[in-house]
Amino acid sequence: DVKVTQSSRYLVKRTGEKVFLECVQDMDHENMFWYRQDPGLGLRLIYFSYDVKMKEKGDIPEGYSVSREKKERFSLILESASTNQTSMYLCASSLSSPNQPQHFGDGTRLSIL
Amino acid sequence: GENVEQHPSTLSVQEGDSAVIKCTYSDSASNYFPWYKQELGKRPQLIIDIRSNVGEKKDQRIAVTLNKTAKHFSLHITETQPEDSAVYFCAASKGWTSYDKVIFGPGTSLSVIP
Repeated sequence: DVKVTQSSRYLVKRTGEKVFLECVQDMDHENMFWYRQDPGLGLRLIYFSYDVKMKEKGDIPEGYSVSREKKERFSLILESASTNQTSMYLCASSLSSPNQPQHFGDGTRLSIL
Repeated sequence: GENVEQHPSTLSVQEGDSAVIKCTYSDSASNYFPWYKQELGKRPQLIIDIRSNVGEKKDQRIAVTLNKTAKHFSLHITETQPEDSAVYFCAASKGWTSYDKVIFGPGTSLSVIP
């Protein structure tokens, strides 16, 4: 069974801090994704990566960056956290061929004070 | 870019009744339509998907229908049970390459009343 593990379930940080959210998958998936989930807005794509060191902007990349140094790990970075980045963050992975299901982690609920 | 709308935003049904969730998409090039279920406090999980070369797909109590001409697709759950209570997300993708983004709808919160 695919396992996507996010480093923290809950995280509280302060405005202006640099925040790292980590995601690891164990199924050798080529694709990895970071989403933000807010009530009434569904899942919005922040960034995705289709290979090591490759990244593509999603729909809401402003204020975020990502890093994929190893195939199994995809990190989301908030360079200078702001209160409007308080949200649930979901990581997902999938195989590289088209129309593959995405496998999600449990999510990190991030609060920026 | 692609936009996916989903209705209703909340839905309450009596146990045993059917539930229907409807989605519309804007990009006529979309040809892959997955549905995800997210139980409270848990991760979203794929429950069924449909590709544009078929009009309907069933898996036990759930079915999905697709009308490409009208650009809408629907999830049907029959004989609902309390464990069907969750948020359901529809999504659309061109699905031509692995780089094609999956665009999610805003979600429908389904409550099944025992």
